[in-house]
Amino acid sequence: DQQVKQNSPSLSVQEGRISILNCDYTNSMFDYFLWYKKYPAEGPTFLISISSIKDKNEDGRFTVFLNKSAKHLSLHIVPSQPGDSAVYFCAASDASGTYKYIFGTGTRLKVLA
Amino acid sequence: DAMVIQNPRYQVTQFGKPVTLSCSQTLNHNVMYWYQQKSSQAPKLLFHYYDKDFNNEADTPDNFQSRRPNTSFCFLDIRSPGLGDAAMYLCATSRGPTTNEKLFFGSGTQLSVL
Repeated sequence: DQQVKQNSPSLSVQEGRISILNCDYTNSMFDYFLWYKKYPAEGPTFLISISSIKDKNEDGRFTVFLNKSAKHLSLHIVPSQPGDSAVYFCAASDASGTYKYIFGTGTRLKVLA
Repeated sequence: DAMVIQNPRYQVTQFGKPVTLSCSQTLNHNVMYWYQQKSSQAPKLLFHYYDKDFNNEADTPDNFQSRRPNTSFCFLDIRSPGLGDAAMYLCATSRGPTTNEKLFFGSGTQLSVL
């Protein structure tokens, strides 16, 4: 049972345009959500996170939106740059004290120059 | 710089030959995790430690074991690797005690089984 889903395996965007990556979850106990970026043969690096008490969090070119009623979050990258080309993972954790983080399957973003 | 370090970056082992992957951290974090990631799949949590308290995922094969001798180090032992165990193994840490903390990852160890 995939509790965190990223239904788009890949996305191509022109440099300078907006990239929107989507993530859906099924577990209503999730209360903290994170986005990670991963280059080939490297570990994931943290991008941005959001707590369930918020619906938006912004950090520079990156904004994460959370829609709790739809169990959906999205990552917006504006403007997109060629260096943003990577695999993006959505992850979620819950407040039950298990310290578990569940990841989605990732979306490969390609930013075209 | 404080970080999570995994050794080696690439590991080749033979079918059935025990192998150990290592992870160290200078962040002094309470929680350490091992994830397995296969190509185009989500990183899959194998187990984690909160301090010395070990937590195994229900679907982690018995072939996989872990040790955390102290705060800084954590090891993943694969007792009898099969071809299906070829994957990227990712070590991560979080500060704890809450779960509203980000994970810090190492660079990973790419395991090949011949």
